[in-house]
Amino acid sequence: SAVISQKPSRDICQRGTSLTIQCQVDSQVTMMFWYRQQPGQSLTLIATANQGSEATYESGFVIDKFPISRPNLTFSTLTVSNMSPEDSSIYLCSVEPGGAEQYFGPGTRLTVT
Amino acid sequence: EDQVTQSPEALRLQEGESSSLNCSYTVSGLRGLFWYRQDPGKGPEFLFTLYSAGEEKEKERLKATLTKKESFLHITAPKPEDSATYLCAVQASETSYDKVIFGPGTSLSVIP
Repeated sequence: SAVISQKPSRDICQRGTSLTIQCQVDSQVTMMFWYRQQPGQSLTLIATANQGSEATYESGFVIDKFPISRPNLTFSTLTVSNMSPEDSSIYLCSVEPGGAEQYFGPGTRLTVT
Repeated sequence: EDQVTQSPEALRLQEGESSSLNCSYTVSGLRGLFWYRQDPGKGPEFLFTLYSAGEEKEKERLKATLTKKESFLHITAPKPEDSATYLCAVQASETSYDKVIFGPGTSLSVIP
């Protein structure tokens, strides 16, 4: 398993601004994942981040809107850029430390006004 | 297209009333099927991984089973603390990376 922390846990932001979410894991992992969970809905994968390479984005998500950094094997950031109310969601990071299962952080609850 | 559906959308049970949640999936090749529990305001908590038809896993009051097209999460004599949303997810074998597709979830309420 893995222990994952995220910062901030929640934030309220103004339209047009950007927010950077941090994800820290307690062990070295190759792949980290970023998900979005809109109110009352399930998880949608935004991108997969490998250390030392560009993130791989899913259909409907672009790097200009959701830039990701992965500077080392225990840390990643996701930035939500030029925010609109439609970006209000819970953002979750996860890791795959050994087997096929993923372990999730507690999430960042973002509200855009 | 790979797809995961879950039923029912919501389920209310009396404490001690056993039931099952269903997860149906459509993938070209299954690498793994996962069950998670999610409490309000928290990230999903991993429960089980199933890899092949006929496989079963158990943990306390929960038992997960897998067939070629669906999985069941059986809850025996549930307690109020089992109330949560249960998510099913699949990983397809034809993807070149470890993408997991999540179902919409079943919201379980166990009434004392």
